[in-house]
Amino acid sequence: DSGVTQTPKHLITATGQRVTLRCSPRSGDLSVYWYQQSLDQGLQFLIQYYNGEERAKGNILERFSAQQFPDLHSELNLSSLELGDSALYFCASNAGIPNYEQYFGPGTRLTVT
Amino acid sequence: AQRVTQPEKLLSVFKGAPVELKCNYSYSGSPELFWYVQYSRQRLQLLLRHISRESIKGFTADLNKGETSFHLKKPFAQEEDSAMYYCALSASPGGTSYGKLTFGQGTILTVHP
Repeated sequence: DSGVTQTPKHLITATGQRVTLRCSPRSGDLSVYWYQQSLDQGLQFLIQYYNGEERAKGNILERFSAQQFPDLHSELNLSSLELGDSALYFCASNAGIPNYEQYFGPGTRLTVT
Repeated sequence: AQRVTQPEKLLSVFKGAPVELKCNYSYSGSPELFWYVQYSRQRLQLLLRHISRESIKGFTADLNKGETSFHLKKPFAQEEDSAMYYCALSASPGGTSYGKLTFGQGTILTVHP
């Protein structure tokens, strides 16, 4: 078990709604990464936080936002949901520079109907 | 821009046969390359990375900078190797994209008995 936890496991919601996905990194890890996995786009990097600060941004939509809290857990907020946002959202963590290996959580499956 | 290409979506071999999963990348600097594996209903986990030059579960991968490739190989495939395999690239330290992983589309390997 890598130690990264994500809640909820599954989420079903309607278009136009807003959801929050939560991630708790491994104990001691300062960096959190969010990825989206969809059938057409594959695994895409969304955003990275390091010790509470945004470190890198990927293909993250303006409707999406994230933050990392003082206890190092992170939340990904998805708003004005569209059908195309249905995907598996992964969180990963590591100690940050210079540690390269990222430890992944089990993911949250989001279904937008 | 960095890009990872895995040309085969599906790969089927018989147990005991050699297997090679192809990965090509595009990156202007010196990247760090990884192979991640996702077994059925399990989370994504690191299989190996080029900087460690190790062999995990009989798999090896050599970084060929001339051909910009990082193919994953195993001389004798086992049924338990059946999984989804992702090739991933991380930018070199100091780059603006340092830390995030760029994934290929993945290859589903099926090893038949």
